[in-house]
Amino acid sequence: SYELTQPPSVSVSPGQTARITCSGDALPKQYAYWYQQKPGQAPVLVIYKDSERPSGIPERFSGSSSGTTVTLTISGVQAEDEADYYCQSADSSGTSLYVFGTGTKVTVL
Amino acid sequence: QVQLQESGPGLVKPSQTLSLTCTVSGGSISSGSYYWSWIRQPAGKGLEWIGRIYTSGSTNYNPSLKSRVTISVDTSKNQFSLKLSSVTAADTAVYYCARDPIDPYYDSSGYYTYSNYFDYWGQGTLVTVSS
Repeated sequence: SYELTQPPSVSVSPGQTARITCSGDALPKQYAYWYQQKPGQAPVLVIYKDSERPSGIPERFSGSSSGTTVTLTISGVQAEDEADYYCQSADSSGTSLYVFGTGTKVTVL
Repeated sequence: QVQLQESGPGLVKPSQTLSLTCTVSGGSISSGSYYWSWIRQPAGKGLEWIGRIYTSGSTNYNPSLKSRVTISVDTSKNQFSLKLSSVTAADTAVYYCARDPIDPYYDSSGYYTYSNYFDYWGQGTLVTVSS
């Protein structure tokens, strides 16, 4: 089955930049999406179509894509950004319409 | 502002059928502009898409769960529902309902396709499978 691979954890100091990668063979052909999930809460969409930001999401969240890897960047990290982050996409064949990444825990030191 | 709310039993016995309902408010499930999905998350683990339904009743399921899943829609109540049969302890999870906006585009090959993502989620409901 198709997989999206993320690093298990990323640690960053307040005010610094956090970068979370997501790798998958179909990413050159499929958009990626990013969700933030805080403990006990539902996921929240923070990036769609690789780099678009929904209304209400702070500008410090941005997304980019290069080949088989997409990246979520959080610039000027704040304590409130500590959460789990999941990428999501689909496989090229359309068999798996929605595939989630393995998830990355962002810790603000 | 659209809101989604899951409801249903929090405890299901092994081999029985898990049944959940998602009630949509602040918008019509019949608008035709969205798919409506179920997603689950075991404690401490990642997210898994279960399946989706369109207002017409057309469905798509995760191949790994397809044999046990049925999703239905009741437009008169602005609700859609999930049934998962023959449950085991491995089906213990928080279950979310979510909305997927139908967002077509032409990809780099000129192929007309759709973005698949979730812009609104319910708060989630914990279902435990245990005797």
